[in-house]
Amino acid sequence: DAKTTQPTSMDCAEGRAANLPCNHSTISGNEYVYWYRQIHSQGPQYIIHGLKNNETNEMASLIITEDRKSSTLILPHATLRDTAVYYCIVRVEGYKLSFGAGTTVTVRA
Amino acid sequence: NAGVMQNPRHLVRRRGQEARLRCSPMKGHSHVYWYRQLPEEGLKFMVYLQKENIIDESGMPKERFSAEFPKEGPSILRIQQVVRGDSAAYFCASSPFGGAQDEQFFGPGTRLTVL
Repeated sequence: DAKTTQPTSMDCAEGRAANLPCNHSTISGNEYVYWYRQIHSQGPQYIIHGLKNNETNEMASLIITEDRKSSTLILPHATLRDTAVYYCIVRVEGYKLSFGAGTTVTVRA
Repeated sequence: NAGVMQNPRHLVRRRGQEARLRCSPMKGHSHVYWYRQLPEEGLKFMVYLQKENIIDESGMPKERFSAEFPKEGPSILRIQQVVRGDSAAYFCASSPFGGAQDEQFFGPGTRLTVL
């Protein structure tokens, strides 16, 4: 299984962009990078996913390096409600999502 | 369009009792996944079911745990003779197609406390 490495925690100022890095150096060519977040006491929420190209949706942008060994999730204008644990997941075996420890993001006013 | 529903949200059991956790997938979804989150840890896959079939139960303990997804009604995760180590948050997710890239929608979870 391809493993991911994320910083344990990070702070972000409200209204500023939050850049969340993720290393996945053993990723295979057909494995997607997924991002989920979990706000305290709630179920995980899908954010975005990608394979090779950069992706953007209404929540975030995903930047994947050309060698695919790392990626960055960008929350363009962080709000207090974005405070959560963010999980970077390399999807293996299709349906099995493997959640690591994630990055605890605290958005401060 | 209601999301994934789980009940109860909180469940307290004494050691040796049975726990039954229910999950109603999103409308139109026939694929259900159960995950367990121990305190201070990430979610771990337990089991994947389609209607009336267990597709993959490789993440589920061999004893005391069972899961079903009947033709009618919610999916049930059943834990018999609970022990303190079973205390955790149990999340259910559903998806429409079950494919490798199918987005999974999660419910709010059931928090099981074993006294």
